[in-house]
Amino acid sequence: EDKVVQSPLSLVVHEGDTVTLNCSYEVTNFRSLLWYKQEKKAPTFLFMLTSSGIEKKSGRLSSILDKKELFSILNITATQTGDSAVYLCAVENQGGKLIFGQGTELSVKP
Amino acid sequence: EPEVTQTPSHQVTQMGQEVILRCVPISNHLYFYWYRQILGQKVEFLVSFYNNEISEKSEIFDDQFSVERPDGSNFTLKIRSTKLEDSAMYFCASSIIRTGTANNSPLHFGNGTRLTVT
Repeated sequence: EDKVVQSPLSLVVHEGDTVTLNCSYEVTNFRSLLWYKQEKKAPTFLFMLTSSGIEKKSGRLSSILDKKELFSILNITATQTGDSAVYLCAVENQGGKLIFGQGTELSVKP
Repeated sequence: EPEVTQTPSHQVTQMGQEVILRCVPISNHLYFYWYRQILGQKVEFLVSFYNNEISEKSEIFDDQFSVERPDGSNFTLKIRSTKLEDSAMYFCASSIIRTGTANNSPLHFGNGTRLTVT
């Protein structure tokens, strides 16, 4: 059965800290891995990763994929209170279906 | 920036009633999806739809569920006879092509419809 596992499930840090969120997966017919940020409602897209070893960056966020070890990490540097959210990792199979992890709830304290 | 819109934002219904959740995907998108998230649980795939037919569906998507694209803009999810366990946030999503075939084609989600079955 396809599965995506995220860790930790929750994390509390202070502003300015750096955090690393983990996502491991076992999905047949892997196509891509995506990270989303979910605040109150809709997941909003952060990154899509298809190739191993190529870091994607957007401001203070970055992510990398290891297709051999079947995991990805999402890094956030110099965290701000606005980074508080649930971060979702999802793996897309060849059919276009996304299999989601359970999410990491990040809380950034001032 | 174009977005996926869903209505209503919150629907309360009695067990056994039919509900229709409505979505307007981004206008040039071709692939459409419904996902749901039961409170405190993972986001789960329900169904994908392309070229006016279902491409894939999960085991959750049983005979009580159906989808339709009645015109060029709307994409609906119908639950014929709701059960208590159907209470969840239902997300519609769309993409211009199958996600992953181009790095800039992620799935775009709507804000969801919170369905409460009493």
